[in-house]
Amino acid sequence: EDKVVQSPLSLVVHEGDTVTLNCSYEVTNFRSLLWYKQEKKAPTFLFMLTSSGIEKKSGRLSSILDKKELFSILNITATQTGDSAIYLCAVTPSGTYKYIFGTGTRLKVLA
Amino acid sequence: DVKVTQSSRYLVKRTGEKVFLECVQDMDHENMFWYRQDPGLGLRLIYFSYDVKMKEKGDIPEGYSVSREKKERFSLILESASTNQTSMYLCASSPLTGGYGYTFGSGTRLTVV
Repeated sequence: EDKVVQSPLSLVVHEGDTVTLNCSYEVTNFRSLLWYKQEKKAPTFLFMLTSSGIEKKSGRLSSILDKKELFSILNITATQTGDSAIYLCAVTPSGTYKYIFGTGTRLKVLA
Repeated sequence: DVKVTQSSRYLVKRTGEKVFLECVQDMDHENMFWYRQDPGLGLRLIYFSYDVKMKEKGDIPEGYSVSREKKERFSLILESASTNQTSMYLCASSPLTGGYGYTFGSGTRLTVV
């Protein structure tokens, strides 16, 4: 059965800390992995990682994909209170465009 | 700005009522999805649709049905609401070839009492 596991489930840090969020997956014929940020409303897209794009960076956020070990990490440096959110990881197998989501990591950044 | 709009942000219904959750997208996307989100369980797929009048069951379709009469609109129906259907419901859409994943609606928090 295809599945996505995120860890930790929740995390509390102070502003300025660096955090690493983990996502491991088991899926038949992997096609892509996405990271989303969810505050109080709709999840918003952060990164898409595929076989041809295994490392992405945007400002203080970066993500890598290890296709051999079947995991991805999302790194946030110099955290700010605005980074407080649920971070979702999702994976899709080839041949379909529906995503399988992990449970999410709830990040709280304290001032 | 592209959008997925869910008709209600908060909804309170009684056990046994028939409930309609509406989702409309303005991006001409072929694919539309309904998920429910529960603490500790993440997002679970209820139903999805790749085309008008077409639907496929997701992982937890029991107690739900869907309707897609027009490309831009995908409705989720709770035939007879029960308390275990209290949840956050998220609608999403994507282009036929997947694009950059989903665009989500803001969610409907449904409470069944």
